[in-house]
Amino acid sequence: AQTVTQSQPEMSVQEAETVTLSCTYDTSENNYYLFWYKQPPSRQMILVIRQEAYKQQNATENRFSVNFQKAAKSFSLKISDSQLGDTAMYFCAFMKTSYDKVIFGPGTSLSVIP
Amino acid sequence: GAGVSQSPRYKVAKRGQDVALRCDPISGHVSLFWYQQALGQGPEFLTYFQNEAQLDKSGLPSDRFFAERPEGSVSTLKIQRTQQEDSAVYLCASSPIRAGGSLETQYFGPGTRLLVL
Repeated sequence: AQTVTQSQPEMSVQEAETVTLSCTYDTSENNYYLFWYKQPPSRQMILVIRQEAYKQQNATENRFSVNFQKAAKSFSLKISDSQLGDTAMYFCAFMKTSYDKVIFGPGTSLSVIP
Repeated sequence: GAGVSQSPRYKVAKRGQDVALRCDPISGHVSLFWYQQALGQGPEFLTYFQNEAQLDKSGLPSDRFFAERPEGSVSTLKIQRTQQEDSAVYLCASSPIRAGGSLETQYFGPGTRLLVL
């Protein structure tokens, strides 16, 4: 069975600074998908960034980038130039195939401090 | 276009009551998922539909939970004889299926917050 671990229950960062959220996962699959989802206090889950395991290049979306280490089964999220609107729960997630359930980690609560 | 919608947004039920939670996926999305999110935790998978077919219900916690999608669009999650441990946010997500097996993201609704007293 696949599992996702996020070892940082809470983190904080000063506005405009950079923060990295950690995630590790366990799977025996060779091809899979990894995601970071953001869930603001309004509770709408929003996709931040995604990575396909067969792609070696790390995904980037504007201020968000990942460090994907397949051998180490690590998938960290870096947020640059943090903004107040980045305050939210961040969930690392795994999906085995394109039409499969998403397995979520326990989440990291990120607070951006003005 | 419209995203995934869920109703009601909030539901308070007395223990033992039956509840029905509705999900309207994005138009044309073939896949539909239900997740349960307990307070302070990540969502956990309940069940999956492809069109009207329920292909995976391995996450349903008991036989009190039942889901359907009779016409392959709107889905209803029903919980019979609710218990306090059923209190959670119930999230619905949908995604399209495209030829070639390309990755399709799941789009989440706002959730229904269920409180069982």
